[in-house]
Amino acid sequence: GIQVEQSPPDLILQEGANSTLRCNFSDSVNNLQWFHQNPWGQLINLFYIPSGTKQNGRLSATTVATERYSLLYISSSQTTDSGVYFCAVPTGANSKLTFGKGITLSVRP
Amino acid sequence: DAGVIQSPRHEVTEMGQEVTLRCKPISGHNSLFWYRQTMMRGLELLIYFNNNVPIDDSGMPEDRFSAKMPNASFSTLKIQPSEPRDSAVYFCASSWEGLEQYFGPGTRLTVT
Repeated sequence: GIQVEQSPPDLILQEGANSTLRCNFSDSVNNLQWFHQNPWGQLINLFYIPSGTKQNGRLSATTVATERYSLLYISSSQTTDSGVYFCAVPTGANSKLTFGKGITLSVRP
Repeated sequence: DAGVIQSPRHEVTEMGQEVTLRCKPISGHNSLFWYRQTMMRGLELLIYFNNNVPIDDSGMPEDRFSAKMPNASFSTLKIQPSEPRDSAVYFCASSWEGLEQYFGPGTRLTVT
């Protein structure tokens, strides 16, 4: 099946810093989602981004489907950005999502 | 929009007991997914319904697990009998035609 790799596995930032999170996938996909799992365990939708670039406030994402990667940018990080960031891609015709292992982000005040 | 609703939020049970997890998808969505999250295996799909019909249950770990979707607004995931290794967070997600998926808050199951 499709492989999804995220890097780096862990990231520690000082509040106000910027960061880039990467997601590589092993096969062509027709969509991709980024999620934030907050410290309470909730999975929050960040982006649904099959290709191109989208922005939402301090966050933006770019997917280059032909090169099989996606990037999530966080600017001016805040402590509330802490948590685990997952990317996920659909597998096969049934749309089930295959998740990466996640990137654990800690933003320190 | 209320989002995906799951109940209970926490469940603690003894080994051998039956456990039933419940999910109400977002109104208008026709695809429903059950996922399980553990430290060892991460997030993995258990079963996927489309228009109330199970399409892919290859992720269901064994016969002790079963899932139903009697109508478009309700699904259950049942474990009988439960075992300690079933302890995990179980998420339900819904979407329109398998596109962008929205997750519920999850049920944290502990089997002692």
